[in-house]
Amino acid sequence: SQTIHQWPATLVQPVGSPLSLECTVEGTSNPNLYWYRQAAGRGLQLLFYSVGIGQISSEVPQNLSASRPQDRQFILSSKKLLLSDSGFYLCAWSAGTVTSNYGYTFGSGTRLTVV
Amino acid sequence: AQSVAQPEDQVNVAEGNPLTVKCTYSVSGNPYLFWYVQYPNRGLQFLLKYITGDNLVKGSYGFEAEFNKSQTSFHLKKPSALVSDSALYFCAVRLSLSNDYKLSFGAGTTVTVRA
Repeated sequence: SQTIHQWPATLVQPVGSPLSLECTVEGTSNPNLYWYRQAAGRGLQLLFYSVGIGQISSEVPQNLSASRPQDRQFILSSKKLLLSDSGFYLCAWSAGTVTSNYGYTFGSGTRLTVV
Repeated sequence: AQSVAQPEDQVNVAEGNPLTVKCTYSVSGNPYLFWYVQYPNRGLQFLLKYITGDNLVKGSYGFEAEFNKSQTSFHLKKPSALVSDSALYFCAVRLSLSNDYKLSFGAGTTVTVRA
């Protein structure tokens, strides 16, 4: 069966420090991968998505970047965190086929607090 | 473009009463529709989906949803709510033939079930 791992679960970082959040998927190949941010426990903002290795699409200009160095690995990074980067970050995957119809499977999330 | 609206920020019901969480969508084509639930500091969990076929879809934890094409709605329902159903609920939509499989999420509805 497919599983998605996201870590760390919580993170407290000072302003100006770098960030690296990692997400890996097991049990599937060539998944579509997504990074979302959820502010104040409400709406989901799509940050990045990837349909293949090295293919990254950015939805919102910001202080963050994403990379996909391996088929089932998706990394969210920042060189210098801002206070406004605080939030709950969620990774998700979906099957990368035209006939896929099962929506997303989400990771357990990372609570980032920038101080 | 695709979008989802959840017109109610909050829904409050007494335990044992029926629960309805509203969702309307807008897509230029055939939609795939989903409901997710989120408990505090957790990732989103899949509840149910509509892909094609019967307009009444049954999902996890006794939830069901009815696809209404003429009203472009996909309301989530549960005949008898439990206190443990208190959570944040998200409706999502994507085009059936999109090649990036991006889901558009509603802003979420907080459900509170009182004992």
